[in-house]
Amino acid sequence: EVQMLESGGGLVQPGGSLRLSCAASGFTFSTYAMSWVRQAPGKGLEWVSSISGSGTNTFYADSVKGRCTISRDNSKSTLYLQLSSLRAEDTAVYFCARIHLVGANYWGQGALVTVSS
Amino acid sequence: DVVLTQSPLSLPVTLGQPASISCRSNQSLLYSDGNTYLNWFQQRPGQSPRRLIYKVSNRDSGVPDRFSGSGSGTDFTLKISGVEAEDVAVYYCLHGTHWPPVYTFGQGTKLEI
Repeated sequence: EVQMLESGGGLVQPGGSLRLSCAASGFTFSTYAMSWVRQAPGKGLEWVSSISGSGTNTFYADSVKGRCTISRDNSKSTLYLQLSSLRAEDTAVYFCARIHLVGANYWGQGALVTVSS
Repeated sequence: DVVLTQSPLSLPVTLGQPASISCRSNQSLLYSDGNTYLNWFQQRPGQSPRRLIYKVSNRDSGVPDRFSGSGSGTDFTLKISGVEAEDVAVYYCLHGTHWPPVYTFGQGTKLEI
């Protein structure tokens, strides 16, 4: 059974930093590109970032470029998202996702990040 | 950049009646490999998104056959043949490419009974 479990969310002050983790199991982690998608309270889904299976290639939405770093540790089957210079508008539930355009999709339950003083 | 525009944004329906959601793109989504990577997701209240349809019209495993997808080029539609109570959710269209793995969501359509 595929499972993806996010952790690391919480309350952070504006300008602060946070690292989210996503522990995956049930599939060959290194084989798949992985993504982060966020959802602000009461709003829609927004793609944030993706990383290739090897970790060599990374991609970011313009809204987080320069403030966000995606990475992975394939030996631990874990995906990370380092968020910095956080703003109120970064407040959201952050989902770890294995988005595949044809094959099976898997999403975590989400981690809430609240940016507030 | 691809922009996906869904309509309506809110869709009140009656149980048992059909429902239809439109997703329009600002450019053709036909990819160089001949495929169109337009997916539909369902997000029930308090849950993570779940894909219903991939490549315009292919239902995912376990998705009831009352859900169907159609369209081509820039215009796509998700139809529910007869809405059931469990279909109350927000529906999103999604476009992406295999490489680079970047994605665009529509704004979402809230279906309510």
